[in-house]
Amino acid sequence: GAGVSQSPSNKVTEKGKDVELRCDPISGHTALYWYRQSLGQGLEFLIYFQGNSAPDKSGLPSDRFSAERTGGSVSTLTIQRTQQEDSAVYLCASSLVPGGLGGYTFGSGTRLTVV
Amino acid sequence: EDKVVQSPLSLVVHEGDTVTLNCSYEVTNFRSLLWYKQEKKAPTFLFMLTSSGIEKKSGRLSSILDKKELFSILNITATQTGDSAIYLCAVNSSNTGKLIFGQGTTLQVKP
Repeated sequence: GAGVSQSPSNKVTEKGKDVELRCDPISGHTALYWYRQSLGQGLEFLIYFQGNSAPDKSGLPSDRFSAERTGGSVSTLTIQRTQQEDSAVYLCASSLVPGGLGGYTFGSGTRLTVV
Repeated sequence: EDKVVQSPLSLVVHEGDTVTLNCSYEVTNFRSLLWYKQEKKAPTFLFMLTSSGIEKKSGRLSSILDKKELFSILNITATQTGDSAIYLCAVNSSNTGKLIFGQGTTLQVKP
């Protein structure tokens, strides 16, 4: 597509429920990244996919968080047993060049609110 | 541990003022430094800097990198209310594919 598409744009969920956030990167971009931004904070790295390589999961905050990327395109970030501290904007980005050397393109994010 | 620190964290100015935003970093195997502007949700790309002393310029915005002192500045001249946003600095290390972001500087430009 023309840009990075994320869905849903907003999600309100009850504490303890599982949620799935979707990211559709720019066509042809081999690198895909997930970041989290809490209110008034910078972006916190979560996970990075590059082609068929094993993903860099070093930023996932707990084992309740997981992500997959199917067919080298669409990615899904899953949060199990959500907690209130998971409330944040989840941003996805993709880049043509690994490592984002040419700059990432970000999606508009999913605002997750856990009540 | 790699880190990026921005200052100030917030800034309020009036239209027409000039502002300078700072970004310092400590990262192994530095490859590039990037500036983003975030108004709603999606950060938008402003500049990428890889070499010291070479100013990048786009309209009223400019940025420069000092790889010896490990910092970058983003200048905005003749500020306008539309410049109000969070400005994010990020560094890319060749060790990993990820960008390490600073906390951001929230700029508010008053009429």
